[in-house]
Amino acid sequence: DAGVTQSPTHLIKTRGQQVTLRCSPISGHKSVSWYQQVLGQGPQFIFQYYEKEERGRGNFPDRFSARQFPNYSSELNVNALLLGDSALYLCASSLGGVAGANVLTFGAGSRLTVL
Amino acid sequence: ELKVEQNPLFLSMQEGKNYTIYCNYSTTSDRLYWYRQDPGKSLESLFVLLSNGAVKQEGRLMASLDTKARLSTLHITAAVHDLSATYFCAASSYGGATNKLIFGTGTLLAVQP
Repeated sequence: DAGVTQSPTHLIKTRGQQVTLRCSPISGHKSVSWYQQVLGQGPQFIFQYYEKEERGRGNFPDRFSARQFPNYSSELNVNALLLGDSALYLCASSLGGVAGANVLTFGAGSRLTVL
Repeated sequence: ELKVEQNPLFLSMQEGKNYTIYCNYSTTSDRLYWYRQDPGKSLESLFVLLSNGAVKQEGRLMASLDTKARLSTLHITAAVHDLSATYFCAASSYGGATNKLIFGTGTLLAVQP
């Protein structure tokens, strides 16, 4: 079984540019979450989507946006990149729904470097 | 607001020794996760603890959960070099329909020969 897949694995952008990161969840998983991990810190929650609807948003500026598609894959977009956006972006999927079927499985991540 | 604290932040230990990493969380949480992260890599799930008194073991690692004390521990027995990594605990935070993990700052474990 394929796990959570993310693309691209690495990318370099310059300040002010825009980036789109992609995530395909485990088959059967309907919830996708995005986390940002800055070097030396623990991951921080950015978004959660379930059945194409946003279920939660962390403390990130409006430059960060995301969406989930009918096949449950997801994209994270970051506009007007800043140096501080350099980080490992992790996608996690789970079954979703109520009653806590929410054990997260993380993908390998997309490492973004902003110059 | 749920907050998670880990200690120590850095742990240097000799092979063959035992040690414990502590994870405290500030408000009620229904599950506690432990992850391992190697440099430049993603998070590898180690344990999910679901109830008070839960204990799980895998090899030289054992995790436990005390929900009354809001404390989880990761115990390392007879450490070996391969265990060198950063270990994170994370607690689930439910808010309405949102499920998110709040991570600790991580414990960098260096096992010396």
